[in-house]
Amino acid sequence: QITLKESGPTLVKPTQTLTLTCTFSGFSLSTSGVGVGWIRQPPGKALEWLALIYWNDDKRYSPSLKSRLTITKDTSKNQVVLTMTNMDPVDTATYYCAHRVDYGDYPSQRNAFDIWGQGTMVTVSS
Amino acid sequence: DIQMTQSPSSLSASVGDRVTITCRASQSISSYLNWYQQKPGKAPKLLIYAASSLQSGVPSRFSGSGSGTDFTLTISSLQPEDFATYYCQQSYSTPPTFGQGTRLEIK
Repeated sequence: QITLKESGPTLVKPTQTLTLTCTFSGFSLSTSGVGVGWIRQPPGKALEWLALIYWNDDKRYSPSLKSRLTITKDTSKNQVVLTMTNMDPVDTATYYCAHRVDYGDYPSQRNAFDIWGQGTMVTVSS
Repeated sequence: DIQMTQSPSSLSASVGDRVTITCRASQSISSYLNWYQQKPGKAPKLLIYAASSLQSGVPSRFSGSGSGTDFTLTISSLQPEDFATYYCQQSYSTPPTFGQGTRLEIK
């Protein structure tokens, strides 16, 4: 059974750096084809994809946020860490990590986020 | 980025109704389209992948169709637990993008 859980601060000040950790179980990020992504959702708004890391350490970022994001993995700890610099009140959102499944040979366009963490709410305010 | 547009933005329906939600992509995405269900305060749940494949454990009253730029999610007979917000997401190219959501409410 795959599970993921996000952790990190609930409140950050403007200009600070946010560090979120996704701790997962039921799969290994050293297994070929496996990926973990981060998606956020401002209150009452739609989902926005942020970043993705694959088992082979390949990384992808949202073009609009790329300069502010860094995603890393610690395979031994079953964790993925997302950092976002220069936080602003517009970054207030629930942040989710999710397991990405490829339904074909990696890299497959036939993919989806099949299991999500419960999410962690982050408020940016002074 | 590929833009995903859902319609309607909100919808009122009754238990037992047949409901269809539409998602349109700003360019062709073949059949690389997923549907998610989100209930208040909960994480999204994958319903349909690759436009028409039912995710394991999802009731068969949910179905998806379409290819190219136009897609639909159909719920054949609404159940009380189906009242939620639904999102489409394209997996054709990076960045993956989501629609703005369709809120399905009880009439």
